[in-house]
Amino acid sequence: EVQLVESGGGLVQPGGSLRLSCAASGFTLSSYAMYWVRQAPGKGLEYVSGISSNGGSTNYGNSVKGRFTVSRDNSKNTLYLQMGSLRAEDMAVYYCAREAYSGSFDDYYYYMDVWGKGTTVTVSS
Amino acid sequence: DIQMTQSPSSLSASVGDRVTITCRASQSISSYLNWYQQKPGKAPKLLIYAASSLQGGVPSRFSGSGSGTDFTLTISSLQPEDFATYYCQQSYNTPRAFGQGTKVEVK
Repeated sequence: EVQLVESGGGLVQPGGSLRLSCAASGFTLSSYAMYWVRQAPGKGLEYVSGISSNGGSTNYGNSVKGRFTVSRDNSKNTLYLQMGSLRAEDMAVYYCAREAYSGSFDDYYYYMDVWGKGTTVTVSS
Repeated sequence: DIQMTQSPSSLSASVGDRVTITCRASQSISSYLNWYQQKPGKAPKLLIYAASSLQGGVPSRFSGSGSGTDFTLTISSLQPEDFATYYCQQSYNTPRAFGQGTKVEVK
């Protein structure tokens, strides 16, 4: 079964750090770009970060740029999100997602087809 | 960065109704537009990719259309299990921005 399982969430004080993990199973992680998406309580989905299949390219949403770092260990089938300088507004459920693609030649379409169930990050003193 | 704007933010409908949700991109994104459904406490689920391609296992009452900057998600006959929040997302470039969501509620 294709599956993503997030872990590492919890309670952290403002200014603190936390590392999230996303364990992949049922597919070859190294074949896919991966993403982190978060959802604050009662709010919509917010793009956090993405990383290419080999880890050579990363990108971030403006709200986390310079504070969060995405990485991956394909040999361990695991995606990571290192979060630092945490703020109250970072409190959310964090989802990891696999990005698949379909199409042909130079015309590929990308979409997040597999999602984990999420891990909750609470930022509070 | 590309901004995605959905309308309406919420709507009330009855079982059997035809429901239409609109998504607009701040610049042309060709057909690089996906739609997701999310129910409370659950992860998002992919419904439509490439603006109009139905993801496997998704009922045919869901359809998507549009290209460039304007897109539409249509539910042809709303079913009880369709009451949820729907999000559009662009995959033209990074960051892969989402719309703010449209909540479909019981009328």
